[in-house]
Amino acid sequence: TQLLEQSPQFLSIQEGENLTVYCNSSSVFSSLQWYRQEPGEGPVLLVTVVTGGEVKKLKRLTFQFGDARKDSSLHITAAQPGDTGLYLCAGAETNAGKSTFGDGTTLTVKP
Amino acid sequence: GAVVSQHPSRVICKSGTSVKIECRSLDFQATTMFWYRQFPKQSLMLMATSNEGSKATYEQGVEKDKFLINHASLTLSTLTVTSAHPEDSSFYICSARDSRGGKYNEQFFGPGTRLTVL
Repeated sequence: TQLLEQSPQFLSIQEGENLTVYCNSSSVFSSLQWYRQEPGEGPVLLVTVVTGGEVKKLKRLTFQFGDARKDSSLHITAAQPGDTGLYLCAGAETNAGKSTFGDGTTLTVKP
Repeated sequence: GAVVSQHPSRVICKSGTSVKIECRSLDFQATTMFWYRQFPKQSLMLMATSNEGSKATYEQGVEKDKFLINHASLTLSTLTVTSAHPEDSSFYICSARDSRGGKYNEQFFGPGTRLTVL
């Protein structure tokens, strides 16, 4: 059974600070997605990483896929209150299979 | 693009009744849809994988007779919670994978349905 460990589980920071969320597994993934979810809504896809060592940037968000495709990180620079939400990573061992979701990181950015 | 709708967004029902939740992919076809359950401040728990034209695949511990899934077309999957009880109260979310280009397992989520069983 795949297991995706996400850390930290909860994170509360001040506006302007930087943060990193980690997603680790012992399994090798063919692809890994990061989603952001706001209360009472469904998750929204932020990015997909597929190549070991890949780095993708989305404005102030930087996503990295580990060389061995077993882990990933999300770094947010100069966090803003609008970044508040539940961040989820999800990995799949095969392209046609189901995804395993991490436990999520609840981020609160205080103004 | 890649919009998924869910209906209803909220439902309150009495214990013992059945509730049907619809999940539609609005601008793409989805051979595969997923149904999740989510508790407050927790991650998504996969309940079942819904495949168009075939039986759903349920995760371990999920009662298939309790949570009926029908995926009759490439744009619609339904989840029926039969004989609902208060412990079934939760946030139910569906997702869909684009049949044409879902090679990276990207899922597009609906907005969720808040079910409250009295």
